[in-house]
Amino acid sequence: DAKTTQPNSMESNEEEPVHLPCNHSTISGTDYIHWYRQLPSQGPEYVIHGLTSNVNNRMASLAIAEDRKSSTLILHRATLRDAAVYYCILRAGGTSYGKLTFGQGTILTVHP
Amino acid sequence: DTEVTQTPKHLVMGMTNKKSLKCEQHMGHRAMYWYKQKAKKPPELMFVYSYEKLSINESVPSRFSPECPNSSLLNLHLHALQPEDSALYLCASSQDRGAPREQYFGPGTRLTVT
Repeated sequence: DAKTTQPNSMESNEEEPVHLPCNHSTISGTDYIHWYRQLPSQGPEYVIHGLTSNVNNRMASLAIAEDRKSSTLILHRATLRDAAVYYCILRAGGTSYGKLTFGQGTILTVHP
Repeated sequence: DTEVTQTPKHLVMGMTNKKSLKCEQHMGHRAMYWYKQKAKKPPELMFVYSYEKLSINESVPSRFSPECPNSSLLNLHLHALQPEDSALYLCASSQDRGAPREQYFGPGTRLTVT
């Protein structure tokens, strides 16, 4: 499986934007970039995914580099509820069809 | 309804016990997953079911036995577990196994093996 690299932790203030980076230099052409987050004592929660183009949804935006070797999850206005571990994951087709391989993730702390 | 339910929430079992974890979804999803998560670690995939057939087994020991009786239900049967198997067991589902599909996770069952 292609690997992702994320900072161990990041901090933000409430109501400020947060940019969470992810490097995936070995990404293949058919790998989708997925982001999930896990709040304390909960199961992971889907945030957003994309293939080549930038994506927006009600939770966040995903900016994908032109060469697809990196991406950035953008939370436009952080709230205390956004404090969680954020996982950047590559989902592949082929024989790995269906697998979701979590990396270590980024622990986001949001200060009031 | 985008909910995946898991029962029980907590389970304590001895090494000679047999127990089962249950997962249910009513979203019409045809792919279901079991993950194991140790404390302060990311979830690790154990099994993938697609259209009620086992399609991925990540070399999980045979003391863990998955079962998918129908498209809404996924069980994980536990037998002769070890203390190191204590973890949070997460169930997830998705519309199908395709790479673009998002997975919906349940809250997990916290298992303690004594």
